[in-house]
Amino acid sequence: DTEVTQTPKHLVMGMTNKKSLKCEQHMGHRAMYWYKQKAKKPPELMFVYSYEKLSINESVPSRFSPECPNSSLLNLHLHALQPEDSALYLCASSQTGGDYNEQFFGPGTRLTVL
Amino acid sequence: AQSVTQPDIHITVSEGASLELRCNYSYGATPYLFWYVQSPGQGLQLLLKYFSGDTLVQGIKGFEAEFKRSQSSFNLRKPSVHWSDAAEYFCAVVPTGNQFYFGTGTSLTVIP
Repeated sequence: DTEVTQTPKHLVMGMTNKKSLKCEQHMGHRAMYWYKQKAKKPPELMFVYSYEKLSINESVPSRFSPECPNSSLLNLHLHALQPEDSALYLCASSQTGGDYNEQFFGPGTRLTVL
Repeated sequence: AQSVTQPDIHITVSEGASLELRCNYSYGATPYLFWYVQSPGQGLQLLLKYFSGDTLVQGIKGFEAEFKRSQSSFNLRKPSVHWSDAAEYFCAVVPTGNQFYFGTGTSLTVIP
């Protein structure tokens, strides 16, 4: 299995809602990532987890809260978002240690904040 | 400053024509280099990667890329473009560790 899955595919939420994005991989990868991507722009790194511990937080607002409950699962909890947070949220995973390996990306969750 | 540059924001080619997408980077040592493709509303798919060794790298879907150390470039090529190749293409660089630095992307349009 060389796939990263993300749910839901689409999400519409109001500014007062609380929702979560889910990402899952079964490739044995121990590094997982959240990216935000606006239309016609490259992905922007938000968070990196390595061995289930948060290793990089790219100064992301606290209304985004990541969680890595186990080595296969990565969540992104959303609360009190703003319309400018509307974007495609991509999850990725990679091996860690030794020679670098590429990141495998999921299909993304298209988020719209009303 | 360290950077990844894709000078062409948008390229239009005719189906069957050849294609070259440019990527330049500015890092001290030779980084790991990647090309990804993204169809509208989709995630990123890896086309090819360069870590070391042979500077001409073959990828999926008939793509290849050539690493030129003297020019700090990693240009993507395809000899004959298909309509299904229309997409956004991102060059990515990993200087050290696992952190990717993406170029700004090149949007490819293929006309019949």
